[in-house]
Amino acid sequence: DSGVTQTPKHLITATGQRVTLRCSPRSGDLSVYWYQQSLDQGLQFLIQYYNGEERAKGNILERFSAQQFPDLHSELNLSSLELGDSALYFCASSTQGTGNTIYFGEGSWLTVV
Amino acid sequence: AQSVTQPDIHITVSEGASLELRCNYSYGATPYLFWYVQSPGQGLQLLLKYFSGDTLVQGIKGFEAEFKRSQSSFNLRKPSVHWSDAAEYFCAVVFSGGYNKLIFGAGTRLAVHP
Repeated sequence: DSGVTQTPKHLITATGQRVTLRCSPRSGDLSVYWYQQSLDQGLQFLIQYYNGEERAKGNILERFSAQQFPDLHSELNLSSLELGDSALYFCASSTQGTGNTIYFGEGSWLTVV
Repeated sequence: AQSVTQPDIHITVSEGASLELRCNYSYGATPYLFWYVQSPGQGLQLLLKYFSGDTLVQGIKGFEAEFKRSQSSFNLRKPSVHWSDAAEYFCAVVFSGGYNKLIFGAGTRLAVHP
């Protein structure tokens, strides 16, 4: 158990819909990361937050957004969903510092039908 | 451009045989290097990491990896593979100034024959 909690574990929704994925980081970790894992793109970095502020952005679509709340939990919002958004979405957390170990949750499986 | 390459998409070994998974990176300096494992339906678990110092690092589950600066490589090894090692293995790097952003290789899927 990494200490990173993600909900829901599985989600099936229709095209055009909007979903929210939730993440609770490990106790004491101020940095939260979101990654997308798909068959064709592999593991892609989406976005990073540190103590409520956006720190780095990766290949995140404009239809996707995220935020980190004062209690440090984070949410990833995916809107206008397309079939190609079906993927495993990971949340991860770490303490501050380049090279610090990043701990991953078990992921949220999103299926868009 | 900064990148991570895992040349082998799929590897099959017999139980008890030795294993080496390859990883190369493209970067002007030494990055922070990691190996993660993903079992079916599971999240990513850190096996080991290298920042500096001794170029041979020991990890969990009997794995080790060796950093070779001249080859820009960080290969993962295990002397004797167990059936439970069947999983997907990801090499990942953090480049300095990269806000601790992990860049992953494409992964190597390991199958273990009894």
